[in-house]
Amino acid sequence: AQSVTQPDIHITVSEGASLELRCNYSYGATPYLFWYVQSPGQGLQLLLKYFSGDTLVQGIKGFEAEFKRSQSSFNLRKPSVHWSDAAEYFCAVGLSGGYNKLIFGAGTRLAVHP
Amino acid sequence: EAGVVQSPRYKIIEKKQPVAFWCNPISGHNTLYWYRQNLGQGPELLIRYENEEAVDDSQLPKDRFSAERLKGVDSTLKIQPAELGDSAVYLCASSTDGQGNPYEQYFGPGTRLTVT
Repeated sequence: AQSVTQPDIHITVSEGASLELRCNYSYGATPYLFWYVQSPGQGLQLLLKYFSGDTLVQGIKGFEAEFKRSQSSFNLRKPSVHWSDAAEYFCAVGLSGGYNKLIFGAGTRLAVHP
Repeated sequence: EAGVVQSPRYKIIEKKQPVAFWCNPISGHNTLYWYRQNLGQGPELLIRYENEEAVDDSQLPKDRFSAERLKGVDSTLKIQPAELGDSAVYLCASSTDGQGNPYEQYFGPGTRLTVT
């Protein structure tokens, strides 16, 4: 069955430090991969997506993610975190073949220390 | 352009009472989704509409949940009767095309339901 694992429930970083959020997926076909961010009381906002091509994808707010097929991973990175990045981050895999369905991980809550 | 609109934002009800949530998708988006997000979890799809047709409702608990999307625009999700375990955030999302590969889904702010 398809699944997404985000191993880190909570992460705390200092403002200005680099960030990497981990995501592993299980899906038999070529995956469509997404990262969403959810601020308190808000809906999910798409940060970036991978469909095909270059395995390093750039997103909004200075985020990037790298697809590694051999590791079934799609980790999210940011070189310098801002206090406004504190939020919950969700990795998702999109099921193709007409299903148009997103399977989400449980999320990683990011706290940023000043 | 206006985003996905949901109402109400918060709802507190007693168990066994009915409740309804409303969603208006982004103009021109023909695919609409209802998700449930339990505390500490990612969203899980309840139902997906393409225009007015429900094309994936396999995760919708049909004994107490119902949904409709008359005229293929806005949608209502209903729970009757509500149970304590239904406490969650109910998210609506929309996208432009439900055929073939997944497309970007735009989410509303959600309705936080508390059942007491």
